[in-house]
Amino acid sequence: GQNIDQPTEMTATEGAIVQINCTYQTSGFNGLFWYQQHAGEAPTFLSYNVLDGLEEKGRFSSFLSRSKGYSYLLLKELQMKDSASYLCAALSGGYQKVTFGTGTKLQVIP
Amino acid sequence: GAGVSQSPSNKVTEKGKDVELRCDPISGHTALYWYRQSLGQGLEFLIYFQGNSAPDKSGLPSDRFSAERTGGSVSTLTIQRTQQEDSAVYLCASIEQGGINTEAFFGQGTRLTVV
Repeated sequence: GQNIDQPTEMTATEGAIVQINCTYQTSGFNGLFWYQQHAGEAPTFLSYNVLDGLEEKGRFSSFLSRSKGYSYLLLKELQMKDSASYLCAALSGGYQKVTFGTGTKLQVIP
Repeated sequence: GAGVSQSPSNKVTEKGKDVELRCDPISGHTALYWYRQSLGQGLEFLIYFQGNSAPDKSGLPSDRFSAERTGGSVSTLTIQRTQQEDSAVYLCASIEQGGINTEAFFGQGTRLTVV
């Protein structure tokens, strides 16, 4: 089977840095997605990691360790608008299925 | 089109009626996914397509749910004899699988309300 785990909720302060972790157990793993979802809206694509290491895109960075089945999303210089749910999802299997975690609800406070 | 398009954006239907939801993926994307999301909940996988084939239908909640994809493009999700527990946002995503350049985008969803 496939299993994706991430914390349910996190709180962080405006201007700070927050790291959202995701662990996965899948067969035939190919890569790991991160999405942002504001309440009442569809998920928005943030990143896709297939190689080990850190990929940076502005204030957002995503890290992957294939050997550890571990990824994290790093958000720097937090803004109030970053309050949202962050979803990790694994692309895996011979037929390339995408499986989502339940999401981490991030609240940014002043 | 520029993105994934879903229609209708909102649908209110009476219990027992059939509904059909449509997804137009990004042109050229081979993989298409359907998910369901209830208020405040995570994404529930329903079915996905590689081309016109559905390798995994395990997420369909019951035999009232079916989906098809034609021409490797448009997909329709049909719910027969709708029940109140079917009320949710139905999201479609399409994926361009290109190794490290893989991207996956969602449509804005169809909000289904069964009354």
